[in-house]
Amino acid sequence: QKEVEQNSGPLSVPEGAIASLNCTYSDRGSQSFFWYRQYSGKSPELIMFIYSNGDKEDGRFTAQLNKASQYVSLLIRDSQPSDSATYLCAPETGANNLFFGTGTRLTVIP
Amino acid sequence: GAVVSQHPSWVICKSGTSVKIECRSLDFQATTMFWYRQFPKQSLMLMATSNEGSKATYEQGVEKDKFLINHASLTLSTLTVTSAHPEDSSFYICSAKSRGLRYNEQFFGPGTRLTVL
Repeated sequence: QKEVEQNSGPLSVPEGAIASLNCTYSDRGSQSFFWYRQYSGKSPELIMFIYSNGDKEDGRFTAQLNKASQYVSLLIRDSQPSDSATYLCAPETGANNLFFGTGTRLTVIP
Repeated sequence: GAVVSQHPSWVICKSGTSVKIECRSLDFQATTMFWYRQFPKQSLMLMATSNEGSKATYEQGVEKDKFLINHASLTLSTLTVTSAHPEDSSFYICSAKSRGLRYNEQFFGPGTRLTVL
């Protein structure tokens, strides 16, 4: 049974702060991990993905992966009100599909 | 690049009718398209995976005779909800994987909100 766990939140951070979003997964076979952002009533949009242990940076976003601990995280630096959304963690399964967590709702307070 | 469209964006129908939803990859060829369903405050649940020219693979618990999927070309997949009932009311989202991408990113369409009266 595949599981992806995320703190549902809401996670509230002040504007300009760092938001830290965490995700643990159960499928040790997962090799790639995707972070999506979903605004209320909209479909998900890809933020970034990571496949190697360590950090991967893309603008204000940094993904961190630790396969031994089955843990992946997303850091958002200089958080903006427009970052307020639900963030979905999605490991890739052995069937080349994505298995989505329930997401963490982030609120950035101006 | 990597734009996926869906049509219609919303639909209201009477119980017992069928509804067709189209998913198109506009600027790339999609080797695989996925259909998800999302109920309020829940995560995306994969319904089925379709590859161009072959039958769709349905996830456990999804009725293939109720949710008909056709993937006729590398840019178009359709989902038909047959004999829709109020419990089928949901947000249906398709995604597509581009041929040639190494890491299997999926790009999502804007979704179709289905309301069955």
